[in-house]
Amino acid sequence: SQQGEEDPQALSIQEGENATMNCSYKTSINNLQWYRQNSGRGLVHLILIRSNEREKHSGRLRVTLDTSKKSSSLLITASRAADTASYFCATERPGANSKLTFGKGITLSVRP
Amino acid sequence: GAVVSQHPSRVICKSGTSVKIECRSLDFQATTMFWYRQFPKQSLMLMATSNEGSKATYEQGVEKDKFLINHASLTLSTLTVTSAHPEDSSFYICSARGGDGGLDTQYFGPGTRLTVL
Repeated sequence: SQQGEEDPQALSIQEGENATMNCSYKTSINNLQWYRQNSGRGLVHLILIRSNEREKHSGRLRVTLDTSKKSSSLLITASRAADTASYFCATERPGANSKLTFGKGITLSVRP
Repeated sequence: GAVVSQHPSRVICKSGTSVKIECRSLDFQATTMFWYRQFPKQSLMLMATSNEGSKATYEQGVEKDKFLINHASLTLSTLTVTSAHPEDSSFYICSARGGDGGLDTQYFGPGTRLTVL
């Protein structure tokens, strides 16, 4: 069943701009993870944020988590054409034995 | 390190044949591996969870006799699509838990594109 729902479904920005992607979920979670997928390729793990954390940074990535609103956001600063990809949020629920439930994904296009 | 490989990357087969896909964790031991399938422009759907040395746990709606999973070692899991049909054509992705990110993190293979004629 679908747990994470990202929005927007598609985002097109100019190189250098910031990209913000949102993810909402329905149940309690242990952690939330963001992945990137280039067309026809596997997923690359970007960042994991635990349920007791509110914000994490990794390079140009900033992730926030609001468990009261059951939502997370992924901010990519100073975007590059190479950031063009699909981005997925995935949640791990308590007692799920590390099983992840993925959202539908966001297609990000960064115009050079 | 946390590299996961899949082989083959692409396979085309005739209807009725069986296809085996390998998933390997190259630089870490993975007690748990996961198998997903992904249709074009859609999300990943978990098919099964594979624990080393024990039977796989299949998600609801996934036929275990159709999709045979073997996890014989801490670095290798295989998915065999038996008697494949065109509707089995999909992108199959495995992941392994562990590596530098710890047990919370899943590292994904590059995927296998299966086309059944």
